Amino acid sequence: EVSLLESGGGLVQPGGSLRLSCVASGFIFSGYDISWVRQAPGKGLEWVSAIGSSGESTGFADSVKGRFTISRDNSKNSLYLQMNSLRAEDTAVYYCAKHRLSDDPLIGEFDYWGQGTLVTVST
Amino acid sequence: DIQVTQSPSSLSASVGDRVTITCRASQGISNSLAWYQQKPGKAPKLLLYGASRLESGVPSRFSGSGSGTDYTLTISSLQPEDFATYYCQQNYSLPLTFGGGTKVEIK
Repeated sequence: EVSLLESGGGLVQPGGSLRLSCVASGFIFSGYDISWVRQAPGKGLEWVSAIGSSGESTGFADSVKGRFTISRDNSKNSLYLQMNSLRAEDTAVYYCAKHRLSDDPLIGEFDYWGQGTLVTVST
Repeated sequence: DIQVTQSPSSLSASVGDRVTITCRASQGISNSLAWYQQKPGKAPKLLLYGASRLESGVPSRFSGSGSGTDYTLTISSLQPEDFATYYCQQNYSLPLTFGGGTKVEIK
């Protein structure tokens, strides 16, 4: 059974940093692109970033470009999101989501999602 | 960037009703559109991809259609478990973008 489990969320002050993790199981992690998608409280879904199966290719939303970094460790079936210079508008539940296909570089739909981890940026 | 406009933002319907939700992309996306269902406090669930292809395990009352810039999600006979928020997502190009969502409520 496919499982994605996020961790690392919490309360952080504006300008601070946080590192999210996502541990995957139940599929060949190294064979799939993975994305981070966030949802602000009471709002819709926003794609944040994606990373290719080997980790060589990445993509970011304009809203986080230059502040967030995505990485993965295929030996640990793990995905990471390093978030720096956090702003109030980054407050959201952050989901990691597996891309359905293994051969579309960074684009595609998401067939499995984690339960999410809440990041709150506030004083 | 491709903008995706979803309508309506909310609707009220009864069990057994036929429900239609639409998404319009700001440029042609060649059927690269997915639909998700999200219930409160839960992660989204993939319903359809490629505009019309049903994800495994999804009931056949859900269907999708469209081409070019305009796409539709139809629920043929609304069931109690279908009351939720629905999102479309274009996966034609980066950045991947979602519609604003449609909340389907009980009339």
